[in-house]
Amino acid sequence: EAQVTQNPRYLITVTGKKLTVTCSQNMNHEYMSWYRQDPGLGLRQIYYSMNVEVTDKGDVPEGYKVSRKEKRNFPLILESPSPNQTSLYFCASSSGQGRVEETQYFGPGTRLLVL
Amino acid sequence: GEDVEQSLFLSVREGDSSVINCTYTDSSSTYLYWYKQEPGAGLQLLTYIFSNMDMKQDQRLTVLLNKKDKHLSLRIADTQTGDSAIYFCAESRGTGRRALTFGSGTRLQVQP
Repeated sequence: EAQVTQNPRYLITVTGKKLTVTCSQNMNHEYMSWYRQDPGLGLRQIYYSMNVEVTDKGDVPEGYKVSRKEKRNFPLILESPSPNQTSLYFCASSSGQGRVEETQYFGPGTRLLVL
Repeated sequence: GEDVEQSLFLSVREGDSSVINCTYTDSSSTYLYWYKQEPGAGLQLLTYIFSNMDMKQDQRLTVLLNKKDKHLSLRIADTQTGDSAIYFCAESRGTGRRALTFGSGTRLQVQP
């Protein structure tokens, strides 16, 4: 089954304790992206990757890092989490061919609480 | 999404039509999308429309685009309880970044 998986689904942590949220897709997609969803703000892009070893900032990259060592994985790293990073995080992927019918597949989300 | 605006809530009765509205500000938007988010789930692409189209119909879904007013709507005919979800409109400017700019979402509640 084609899917995007994220782990963990729920995480409670404390300020300053480094954490990684993993994202994996099994569709051989080139493009992957991270979004955060906050009430009243919709989804905002954090980082994206056009291909292996190619990453770039989205709209709200501060406080986050990403890496793309393999095509299937795109982890989101919070080196020193702060309470304002409490949010619902979504990973997404698409084939990267740029066709209009190309859809972005979203993972189930990771709900993060930073105390 | 300050560039894309939606009303927060809509309640309809089962069997009625639902109309969810969205306005956007960037005239360079090339594609406009409707996504559905059910509780505890990710986003599911429902439909999309290219900016040079006025209307697109797909089974119970009808998308209307008024490019002059930058207004997008999603009509769901014969709304069912399974349609209860949050609906997001999103725009894409077709750049290499391929980011989607989302509205804040409209929660649709379908009363039986």
